[in-house]
Amino acid sequence: KQEVTQIPAALSVPEGENLVLNCSFTDSAIYNLQWFRQDPGKGLTSLLLIQSSQREQTSGRLNASLDKSSGRSTLYIAASQPGDSATYLCAVMYNTDKLIFGTGTRLQVFP
Amino acid sequence: EPEVTQTPSHQVTQMGQEVILRCVPISNHLYFYWYRQILGQKVEFLVSFYNNEISEKSEIFDDQFSVERPDGSNFTLKIRSTKLEDSAMYFCASLPRRETQYFGPGTRLLVL
Repeated sequence: KQEVTQIPAALSVPEGENLVLNCSFTDSAIYNLQWFRQDPGKGLTSLLLIQSSQREQTSGRLNASLDKSSGRSTLYIAASQPGDSATYLCAVMYNTDKLIFGTGTRLQVFP
Repeated sequence: EPEVTQTPSHQVTQMGQEVILRCVPISNHLYFYWYRQILGQKVEFLVSFYNNEISEKSEIFDDQFSVERPDGSNFTLKIRSTKLEDSAMYFCASLPRRETQYFGPGTRLLVL
């Protein structure tokens, strides 16, 4: 069964820290992997998309890496800010079009 | 920047009633999806739609559910006879091809 797991489930850090959020997937034959941000009661905002042939993607203070062979991706957030507080979701697409989501990491950055 | 929109933002209904959730995907997109998220749980795939037909559906998407693209712009999800366990946030998504999925803001459905 294709499953996606994220650790930690929750994280609370002071402003300015560099963070690593982890995502693992059981089936390494992925098509792509996407990181999303979800604010409470809101929709999903796409942060980064990594194709299966890529190793990493960067956008501003965010960097996502992909290691297909080990079934892992990490989202690195540099110099965290209170505005980064949200739930971060990892989602994997296989050879069908649907996304399989992880359970999410709930991040709180306090001033 | 174009966005996926969904209406209504919130819907409260009685068990057994029919509901229709509406989505307007981004105009040049070809693939359309519905997902749901029960409070505190994972986002789950319901159905994908391409070329005016369902391309894949999950086990959740039983005979009580249907999708339609009635006029070439709207994309609807109908639940024929709602159950308590249908209470969730329902997200519509679209994409031009198999890459980044663009999600709408969601419809929060509460079945009483």
